[in-house]
Parts: sequence; structure tokens; C-alpha cells
Amino acid sequence: AQSVTQPDIHITVSEGASLELRCNYSYGATPYLFWYVQSPGQGLQLLLKYFSGDTLVQGIKGFEAEFKRSQSSFNLRKPSVHWSDAAEYFCALSQGAQKLVFGQGTRLTINP
Amino acid sequence: DAGVTQSPTHLIKTRGQHVTLRCSPISGHKSVSWYQQVLGQGPQFIFQYYEKEERGRGNFPDRFSARQFPNYSSELNVNALLLGDSALYLCASSLALSEAFFGQGTRLTVV
Repeated sequence: AQSVTQPDIHITVSEGASLELRCNYSYGATPYLFWYVQSPGQGLQLLLKYFSGDTLVQGIKGFEAEFKRSQSSFNLRKPSVHWSDAAEYFCALSQGAQKLVFGQGTRLTINP
Repeated sequence: DAGVTQSPTHLIKTRGQHVTLRCSPISGHKSVSWYQQVLGQGPQFIFQYYEKEERGRGNFPDRFSARQFPNYSSELNVNALLLGDSALYLCASSLALSEAFFGQGTRLTVV
């Protein structure tokens, strides 16, 4: 069965520090992969997506992610976080047009 | 351009009641999907509609139903509400096999 695992439920980093959020997936073929961000009580905003091609994808707000087929991973990175990056982050894979399977999410806290 | 709009934003219902949630997709998007997000968890897929036809259904009971109208807007209906139905209900629209754009959600509280 298709699944997405985000091993870290909560991460705290200092403002200006680098960030890496982990995502592992289980899928029979090459998946379409996404990272979304959610502020409290809000909907989901797409940060970036991987469909095919270059395994390092750039997104909005300075985020990037790298697809590693051998490790079934799609980790999200940012070189320097800002206080406004505090939110919940969700990794997801697509089983077909719009049917998304989400991970449990990682809550990011930023220390000043 | 307007994004995905959902109404109402908040709703309180009593156990056993019925609820209807509404979603208007981005103009030109013909696909609408619904997700349930329980507090502290990731969204769970409920339904997908494309061109007014159901194209996918998640693991939800028959109390959940949906439909899509000729203008591609959609309704999600939940009958015989249970306390466990309390959640943020998210609607997403898509142009084709591409990224889904989400609305702000409807916060349903069942008491």
C-alpha cells in the first residue's frame, strides 16, 4: 500500500539556522511527490513538487527538496529559516490525479 | 484571480444531524477533491470528482457523499454526524494531473 512517513513530529530550530525535514514514501512506481505548508487553522499551500527529471527541485520561499529513489526519500531543505517559516509541513504523494496520500506532518518551531 | 473558496468557514452541529459543505474551484478547474483533516494528523482523501463524475473514493462510510455541479462547484454531505466527524474539511481543485490547490477549509465541530 502507498504510504508517506514523516519521522519527525516536531522540530525546533533557531532563526537563521538550516533546516531539513524528512519524508519517506512507499509506492510501487515512481511517485509524484509534493511538500505542502499549513499555518494554524488554514488550508495547504504548495511549496514544491516532483514529477520527473531533475531530482533536486526548487520551490517557493527558498525551499528545495531532493528526490532519492534508492532511499525512497524526498527531504525538504532550507539553508536559513525565518520566523515566518513556523508552520506544519506535509509531505504527500499522488496516486493519480489529485488523490493525495499525506504524511502525518512535521510541526516546525523557530526560536528567535 | 479567486482561489478555491469554501463555505462556511466554521460550523457547529449536533450529533445525528446532517451537514453540507460547499466548494468553488479555481476558474477553469474541472476536478475537485475533498479531504478530512483531524486535529494533529495529515489530510485524508474522501472523494474526487472530475467532470461531474466520481473518480475516486477514500475509506469513509456511506454517511459521506458528494456531488459536482455543471459549473464544477461541489458539495460534501455528511449524514448522522458523529463526534469523530469533527475536523477541518479541505477542498482542492486541479486543472489536470498537476498540483492540487487547496481552499482554507471548513472547520466542523460536532457536539
